[in-house]
Amino acid sequence: GAGVSQSPSNKVTEKGKDVELRCDPISGHTALYWYRQSLGQGLEFLIYFQGNSAPDKSGLPSDRFSAERTGGSVSTLTIQRTQQEDSAVYLCASSFGGPQETQCFGPGTRLLVL
Amino acid sequence: AQSVTQPDIHITVSEGASLELRCNYSYGATPYLFWYVQSPGQGLQLLLKYFSGDTLVQGIKGFEAEFKRSQSSFNLRKPSVHWSDAAEYFCAVGLSGNTPLVFGKGTRLSVIA
Repeated sequence: GAGVSQSPSNKVTEKGKDVELRCDPISGHTALYWYRQSLGQGLEFLIYFQGNSAPDKSGLPSDRFSAERTGGSVSTLTIQRTQQEDSAVYLCASSFGGPQETQCFGPGTRLLVL
Repeated sequence: AQSVTQPDIHITVSEGASLELRCNYSYGATPYLFWYVQSPGQGLQLLLKYFSGDTLVQGIKGFEAEFKRSQSSFNLRKPSVHWSDAAEYFCAVGLSGNTPLVFGKGTRLSVIA
């Protein structure tokens, strides 16, 4: 498809387990972003990749969260030892690299930690 | 630190009535401003953006927004609301279009007949 895709669309896991969330950006987009949308907190920035530069990890809430982007395309967000407060919708967005560009969002992965 | 305030958590309007959703931001420079809409179970769709120039910007679905520097506001308007406009609306600010955005907490719009 032409848009940003994310998988899985829904994930239910048990507290303490690790989860991996995947994002396929729009082809040619050099910038990729992860956000988290949770009740009461709204939309929060997590991590940002721009081309081959070191990622901006300033939004990651703890060291249990990490992300990588392989080959400048697909990205995986990993949450280790999940906690109930990690339950949220995780949104991925991508854009071209210029300052006048806009971010296109995927449908999100809804994570529920029991 | 940048912040975005959407004072109205929930607004209900009648179909055909006009709409204004408020957005105020706190920022050290002229920001890049955005309005996104999210329908239930969907991702975010860009309605419109302001980068520079004309302070009244037109977007999709008949929406417009006006940047007022003196009021640090970027309110979203629509002259006549349709039932399909019922959704959650997010205002966002960024250093540019390709840097992480700071979002408001959203305004949920309900449309009644």
